[in-house]
Amino acid sequence: DAKTTQPTSMDCAEGRAANLPCNHSTISGNEYVYWYRQIHSQGPQYIIHGLKNNETNEMASLIITEDRKSSTLILPHATLRDTAVYYCIVRGHGSSNTGKLIFGQGTTLQVKP
Amino acid sequence: GAGVSQSPRYKVAKRGQDVALRCDPISGHVSLFWYQQALGQGPEFLTYFQNEAQLDKSGLPSDRFFAERPEGSVSTLKIQRTQQEDSAVYLCASSRNPGGDYGYTFGSGTRLTVV
Repeated sequence: DAKTTQPTSMDCAEGRAANLPCNHSTISGNEYVYWYRQIHSQGPQYIIHGLKNNETNEMASLIITEDRKSSTLILPHATLRDTAVYYCIVRGHGSSNTGKLIFGQGTTLQVKP
Repeated sequence: GAGVSQSPRYKVAKRGQDVALRCDPISGHVSLFWYQQALGQGPEFLTYFQNEAQLDKSGLPSDRFFAERPEGSVSTLKIQRTQQEDSAVYLCASSRNPGGDYGYTFGSGTRLTVV
């Protein structure tokens, strides 16, 4: 699975959009971009995933560049409860995949009042 | 159930003691995963089950670690002769899809402290 690079930490003002970048320049054509987050003392939580098109759900939006070498997770109106470590992960689907997620260090997002 | 349930929530073991950690996945989920998370680190994959079959155990750090899911639902992670480096949070996750495609749901974990 492709390696990802994320900033170590970011701050965001409450109520503003949080934009979390991720670089995955070695991504393969059949690999998806996944985002999970982990709030202190809890297990990771799935947020969103995408292949090449932009995706949106009730939690966030995922913007993937046309060359797929980078992506941005957008939390449109950050709240204090969005303070967490955010992980960008690249993985394949299908029979050749055993479901393993390779977590890096992630980005620690601090939402401030 | 509504989520993935893990027990116990906390476990303190004396070095050399055997421990068993339980995971109750979401009902009907075919895929089950175990991860280990050391303090300040991201989770690391241990093993994967599809129903009762253990399809990947490449992440188990030693032969002291053993996982089972005999009826394709509840899973147990057993650690024999615990050592201090085994101290970590052990996370279980499940997914309705084989391989966990399209995301999976984690439990809150069991925090193991070996003294």
